[in-house]
Amino acid sequence: KAGVTQTPRYLIKTRGQQVTLSCSPISGHRSVSWYQQTPGQGLQFLFEYFSETQRNKGNFPGRFSGRQFSNSRSEMNVSTLELGDSALYLCASSFERGAYNEQFFGPGTRLTVL
Amino acid sequence: KQEVTQIPAALSVPEGENLVLNCSFTDSAIYNLQWFRQDPGKGLTSLLLIQSSQREQTSGRLNASLDKSSGRSTLYIAASQPGDSATYLCAVNTHNQGGKLIFGQGTELSVKP
Repeated sequence: KAGVTQTPRYLIKTRGQQVTLSCSPISGHRSVSWYQQTPGQGLQFLFEYFSETQRNKGNFPGRFSGRQFSNSRSEMNVSTLELGDSALYLCASSFERGAYNEQFFGPGTRLTVL
Repeated sequence: KQEVTQIPAALSVPEGENLVLNCSFTDSAIYNLQWFRQDPGKGLTSLLLIQSSQREQTSGRLNASLDKSSGRSTLYIAASQPGDSATYLCAVNTHNQGGKLIFGQGTELSVKP
């Protein structure tokens, strides 16, 4: 079974621009979560989608948004980029099984904001 | 507010040594705890998941334990190898649905040949 895939792997943008990142979950997984990883803050939860609905949300400004499609693929968008948005963005998928809800992560998208 | 702490932040050991990584969390109301490995610049690889009703899980040379009441988990690595060098992260899931994980800052492990 193919793992979680993320595209693109690397992005360079300038302040004020917007960016869209894509995540394809493992086949059969309906939950997709997004995380931001920075050296200073570590891994922080952005949001989670299940069956095209946002189910959980972290403490990030409204510039960060996402969506999920009917095939469970997910995109996240960051508008009006700031230097502090430079980070590794990771998505994870899981097959809902109650307390046995193992998260599988993709390789990440490295975003650099200049 | 749930907080996850990992001690030590960095660890260097000679090859062949057995070692223990520690993870503590402030709120015992968790549904599961997951240990991950991250190589530099890469994504996370799931190592072990322990459900809240379990005390331990084993996979090969790895053994993870969970003591929910005291808010602690340990990851035991037997007979360490240079290929085990990576950052190890623990994360707790406080939701019975969904993937909202709260992560510790990680332990950077270096195994010297």
